[in-house]
Amino acid sequence: DGGITQSPKYLFRKEGQNVTLSCEQNLNHDAMYWYRQDPGQGLRLIYYSQIVNDFQKGDIAEGYSVSREKKESFPLTVTSAQKNPTAFYLCASSVGGVTGELFFGEGSRLTVL
Amino acid sequence: QQQVKQSPQSLIVQKGGISIINCAYENTAFDYFPWYQQFPGKGPALLIAIRPDVSEKKEGRFTISFNKSAKQFSLHIMDSQPGDSATYFCAASSGGYQKVTFGTGTKLQVIP
Repeated sequence: DGGITQSPKYLFRKEGQNVTLSCEQNLNHDAMYWYRQDPGQGLRLIYYSQIVNDFQKGDIAEGYSVSREKKESFPLTVTSAQKNPTAFYLCASSVGGVTGELFFGEGSRLTVL
Repeated sequence: QQQVKQSPQSLIVQKGGISIINCAYENTAFDYFPWYQQFPGKGPALLIAIRPDVSEKKEGRFTISFNKSAKQFSLHIMDSQPGDSATYFCAASSGGYQKVTFGTGTKLQVIP
Protein backbone atom coordinates (compact mmCIF):
# COMPACT_ATOMS: atom_id res chain seq x y z
CA ASP A 1 0.00 0.00 0.00
CA GLY A 2 1.21 3.48 -0.81
CA GLY A 3 1.60 5.96 1.96
CA ILE A 4 3.79 8.04 4.20
CA THR A 5 5.78 6.51 7.01
CA GLN A 6 7.00 8.60 9.91
CA SER A 7 9.33 7.37 12.60
CA PRO A 8 9.65 7.24 15.46
CA LYS A 9 6.05 7.64 16.63
CA TYR A 10 7.17 8.80 20.09
CA LEU A 11 10.47 10.36 20.99
CA PHE A 12 11.85 11.70 24.25
CA ARG A 13 14.97 13.83 24.32
CA LYS A 14 16.85 15.96 26.79
CA GLU A 15 16.99 19.69 26.32
CA GLY A 16 19.89 20.78 24.12
CA GLN A 17 19.99 17.63 21.98
CA ASN A 18 19.33 17.60 18.26
CA VAL A 19 16.68 15.18 17.07
CA THR A 20 15.99 13.86 13.57
CA LEU A 21 12.51 12.74 12.54
CA SER A 22 12.20 10.44 9.56
CA CYS A 23 9.64 10.73 6.75
CA GLU A 24 9.46 8.34 3.81
CA GLN A 25 6.82 8.20 1.06
CA ASN A 26 6.18 5.68 -1.70
CA LEU A 27 3.47 7.67 -3.45
CA ASN A 28 5.89 9.06 -6.05
CA HIS A 29 4.89 12.57 -5.00
CA ASP A 30 7.10 15.48 -5.94
CA ALA A 31 6.28 17.74 -3.00
CA MET A 32 6.84 17.04 0.68
CA TYR A 33 6.08 19.08 3.77
CA TRP A 34 6.66 19.24 7.51
CA TYR A 35 4.00 20.65 9.81
CA ARG A 36 3.97 21.24 13.51
CA GLN A 37 0.73 20.78 15.44
CA ASP A 38 0.10 22.36 18.83
CA PRO A 39 -3.23 22.38 20.70
CA GLY A 40 -5.42 25.29 19.58
CA GLN A 41 -2.98 26.42 16.89
CA GLY A 42 -3.78 24.16 14.01
CA LEU A 43 -1.05 23.04 11.66
CA ARG A 44 1.86 25.35 10.97
CA LEU A 45 4.25 24.83 8.08
CA ILE A 46 7.90 24.35 8.99
CA TYR A 47 9.55 23.49 5.64
CA TYR A 48 8.48 22.25 2.25
CA SER A 49 10.21 20.80 -0.77
CA GLN A 50 8.94 20.79 -4.33
CA ILE A 51 11.81 18.81 -5.82
CA VAL A 52 14.91 16.86 -4.84
CA ASN A 53 17.77 18.98 -3.50
CA ASP A 54 15.54 22.01 -3.06
CA PHE A 55 13.45 23.18 -0.11
CA GLN A 56 11.92 26.37 1.25
CA LYS A 57 11.24 27.72 4.70
CA GLY A 58 7.68 27.75 5.90
CA ASP A 59 6.15 29.98 8.53
CA ILE A 60 8.05 28.64 11.55
CA ALA A 61 11.41 27.37 10.21
CA GLU A 62 13.62 28.79 12.97
CA GLY A 63 15.35 26.03 14.92
CA TYR A 64 14.65 23.37 12.30
CA SER A 65 16.57 21.97 9.33
CA VAL A 66 15.72 19.59 6.51
CA SER A 67 17.28 17.79 3.56
CA ARG A 68 15.83 16.31 0.39
CA GLU A 69 18.47 14.04 -1.14
CA LYS A 70 15.95 11.52 -2.45
CA LYS A 71 12.43 11.96 -3.78
CA GLU A 72 11.12 9.49 -1.22
CA SER A 73 12.70 10.99 1.89
CA PHE A 74 12.41 14.31 3.72
CA PRO A 75 13.93 14.12 7.23
CA LEU A 76 13.46 16.93 9.73
CA THR A 77 16.05 17.84 12.36
CA VAL A 78 14.86 19.68 15.43
CA THR A 79 17.93 21.52 16.66
CA SER A 80 18.82 22.78 20.10
CA ALA A 81 18.04 26.28 18.79
CA GLN A 82 14.32 25.49 18.71
CA LYS A 83 12.99 27.14 21.87
CA ASN A 84 9.88 25.05 22.35
CA PRO A 85 10.34 21.75 20.50
CA THR A 86 7.77 19.63 22.33
CA ALA A 87 4.99 19.08 19.78
CA PHE A 88 3.31 16.70 17.35
CA TYR A 89 5.12 16.73 13.99
CA LEU A 90 3.39 15.78 10.78
CA CYS A 91 4.96 14.98 7.44
CA ALA A 92 2.90 15.24 4.28
CA SER A 93 3.27 14.90 0.54
CA SER A 94 1.35 16.00 -2.50
CA VAL A 95 1.38 15.43 -6.21
CA GLY A 96 1.86 19.14 -6.73
CA GLY A 97 0.06 21.10 -9.38
CA VAL A 98 -3.25 22.60 -8.39
CA THR A 99 -5.06 19.88 -6.49
CA GLY A 100 -3.75 20.88 -3.11
CA GLU A 101 -4.52 17.52 -1.53
CA LEU A 102 -2.04 16.64 1.17
CA PHE A 103 -1.42 13.07 2.26
CA PHE A 104 -0.23 12.88 5.86
CA GLY A 105 1.75 10.40 7.86
CA GLU A 106 0.65 9.37 11.34
CA GLY A 107 2.92 11.85 13.05
CA SER A 108 5.78 11.85 15.51
CA ARG A 109 5.28 13.13 19.04
CA LEU A 110 8.43 14.73 20.41
CA THR A 111 8.75 15.45 24.10
CA VAL A 112 11.76 17.37 25.34
CA LEU A 113 12.47 16.83 29.02
CA GLN B 1 -1.05 36.64 10.81
CA GLN B 2 -3.83 34.11 10.68
CA GLN B 3 -5.24 33.91 7.18
CA VAL B 4 -7.96 31.35 7.88
CA LYS B 5 -10.17 31.81 10.93
CA GLN B 6 -12.13 28.80 12.15
CA SER B 7 -14.96 28.53 14.66
CA PRO B 8 -16.04 27.12 16.99
CA GLN B 9 -13.02 25.68 18.75
CA SER B 10 -15.11 22.80 20.08
CA LEU B 11 -18.57 21.46 19.37
CA ILE B 12 -20.82 18.91 21.03
CA VAL B 13 -23.68 17.52 18.96
CA GLN B 14 -26.19 14.82 19.67
CA LYS B 15 -26.31 11.77 17.45
CA GLY B 16 -28.48 12.48 14.43
CA GLY B 17 -27.99 16.23 14.67
CA ILE B 18 -26.27 18.64 12.29
CA SER B 19 -22.71 19.75 12.98
CA ILE B 20 -21.69 23.10 11.50
CA ILE B 21 -18.15 24.47 11.40
CA ASN B 22 -17.37 27.87 9.93
CA CYS B 23 -14.27 29.36 8.35
CA ALA B 24 -13.37 32.78 6.99
CA TYR B 25 -10.41 33.77 4.89
CA GLU B 26 -8.71 37.00 3.90
CA ASN B 27 -6.58 36.20 0.88
CA THR B 28 -8.65 36.50 -2.31
CA ALA B 29 -5.98 34.55 -4.20
CA PHE B 30 -7.03 31.33 -2.47
CA ASP B 31 -8.58 28.99 -5.02
CA TYR B 32 -8.89 25.66 -3.24
CA PHE B 33 -10.64 25.04 0.06
CA PRO B 34 -10.25 21.57 1.58
CA TRP B 35 -11.48 20.17 4.87
CA TYR B 36 -9.39 17.65 6.75
CA GLN B 37 -10.52 15.21 9.42
CA GLN B 38 -8.14 14.06 12.13
CA PHE B 39 -8.66 11.28 14.66
CA PRO B 40 -6.60 11.26 17.88
CA GLY B 41 -3.01 10.14 17.35
CA LYS B 42 -3.37 10.11 13.57
CA GLY B 43 -2.53 12.44 10.73
CA PRO B 44 -5.27 14.48 9.07
CA ALA B 45 -6.99 13.07 5.99
CA LEU B 46 -8.78 14.95 3.25
CA LEU B 47 -12.54 14.83 3.78
CA ILE B 48 -13.99 17.07 1.08
CA ALA B 49 -12.85 20.10 -0.91
CA ILE B 50 -14.34 22.89 -3.00
CA ARG B 51 -13.20 25.45 -5.55
CA PRO B 52 -14.65 28.99 -5.54
CA ASP B 53 -16.53 28.55 -8.81
CA VAL B 54 -19.25 26.54 -7.03
CA SER B 55 -21.35 27.49 -4.00
CA GLU B 56 -21.93 24.02 -2.61
CA LYS B 57 -20.46 20.55 -2.74
CA LYS B 58 -21.98 17.48 -1.18
CA GLU B 59 -20.43 14.10 -0.53
CA GLY B 60 -22.64 11.76 1.44
CA ARG B 61 -23.44 13.37 4.80
CA PHE B 62 -20.79 16.07 4.34
CA THR B 63 -21.51 19.37 2.59
CA ILE B 64 -19.34 22.42 2.01
CA SER B 65 -21.13 25.73 1.54
CA PHE B 66 -19.06 28.50 -0.02
CA ASN B 67 -19.77 32.23 -0.07
CA LYS B 68 -17.18 33.96 -2.23
CA SER B 69 -18.39 37.50 -1.64
CA ALA B 70 -18.30 37.07 2.12
CA LYS B 71 -15.04 35.09 1.96
CA GLN B 72 -16.56 32.39 4.12
CA PHE B 73 -17.09 28.66 3.85
CA SER B 74 -18.55 26.07 6.14
CA LEU B 75 -18.78 22.33 6.69
CA HIS B 76 -22.11 20.75 7.50
CA ILE B 77 -22.27 17.19 8.78
CA MET B 78 -25.78 15.84 8.52
CA ASP B 79 -27.06 13.00 10.72
CA SER B 80 -23.91 13.24 12.85
CA GLN B 81 -22.64 9.94 14.25
CA PRO B 82 -20.32 9.11 17.17
CA GLY B 83 -17.79 7.92 14.59
CA ASP B 84 -17.62 11.49 13.29
CA SER B 85 -16.03 12.57 16.58
CA ALA B 86 -12.71 14.03 15.48
CA THR B 87 -10.92 17.31 14.93
CA TYR B 88 -11.80 19.10 11.71
CA PHE B 89 -9.54 21.60 9.98
CA CYS B 90 -10.54 23.94 7.22
CA ALA B 91 -7.78 25.07 4.91
CA ALA B 92 -7.08 27.23 1.89
CA SER B 93 -4.42 27.32 -0.78
CA SER B 94 -3.59 29.00 -4.06
CA GLY B 95 -1.77 28.26 -7.28
CA GLY B 96 0.95 25.79 -8.30
CA TYR B 97 2.68 23.79 -5.63
CA GLN B 98 0.57 24.22 -2.62
CA LYS B 99 1.31 26.07 0.55
CA VAL B 100 -1.80 25.19 2.45
CA THR B 101 -2.95 27.50 5.24
CA PHE B 102 -4.92 25.73 7.96
CA GLY B 103 -7.52 26.95 10.39
CA THR B 104 -7.00 26.26 14.08
CA GLY B 105 -9.29 23.23 14.16
CA THR B 106 -12.65 22.28 15.67
CA LYS B 107 -12.92 19.35 18.04
CA LEU B 108 -16.27 17.69 17.40
CA GLN B 109 -17.84 15.31 19.86
CA VAL B 110 -21.00 13.48 18.86
CA ILE B 111 -22.79 12.06 21.87
CA PRO B 112 -25.23 9.14 21.68
